[in-house]
Amino acid sequence: SQKIEQNSEALNIQEGKTATLTCNYTNYSPAYLQWYRQDPGRGPVFLLLIRENEKEKRKERLKVTFDTTLKQSLFHITASQPADSATYLCALESSGTYKYIFGTGTRLKVLA
Amino acid sequence: DSGVTQTPKHLITATGQRVTLRCSPRSGDLSVYWYQQSLDQGLQFLIQYYNGEERAKGNILERFSAQQFPDLHSELNLSSLELGDSALYFCASSVVGLAGLNEQFFGPGTRLTVL
Repeated sequence: SQKIEQNSEALNIQEGKTATLTCNYTNYSPAYLQWYRQDPGRGPVFLLLIRENEKEKRKERLKVTFDTTLKQSLFHITASQPADSATYLCALESSGTYKYIFGTGTRLKVLA
Repeated sequence: DSGVTQTPKHLITATGQRVTLRCSPRSGDLSVYWYQQSLDQGLQFLIQYYNGEERAKGNILERFSAQQFPDLHSELNLSSLELGDSALYFCASSVVGLAGLNEQFFGPGTRLTVL
């Protein structure tokens, strides 16, 4: 079956360190993968999109990689801050179906 | 503020009842998406509309239905409600319906509690 897996365990890191979150998928061949941030009780907010022919994408302190061979995307936040504490979701479209699949998210807590 | 509005913000109702959730997309966005988020299921895609037409169906129950009107606002109708339907329901919109290519802008959600 098709599945997206994110580390369901919360990730605690110290302020200033780099946080790395993982998104693994099976039985998909997505052309794009997206990352969203979600704060408690609020709707997700789009962060980055990476295409299958892009190995890496950066936006300010954020970096996303996409390895279609490993079927994995990594999401990095450098110089992390307490304000980065949130749940981060990866999402992709099930090829050609217009159906969006979201991972269950990884809760990140940056400790001051 | 994403520009997507959802009403009501909270809804408390009883099992067996029917409710309607409303969504107004961002100005100019043609696509509307509905999602259900519960604690144990994460964010589940329900349905997508593009310019008034249904484009994709996800894990939407037969008791649920949706539509997108000519002014592009959308409604999600939930009927014969069960306790398990209690969840946050999000609406999102995007400029076009090109799957995966467009970021989705999410509304603040409607929290539905079925007692």
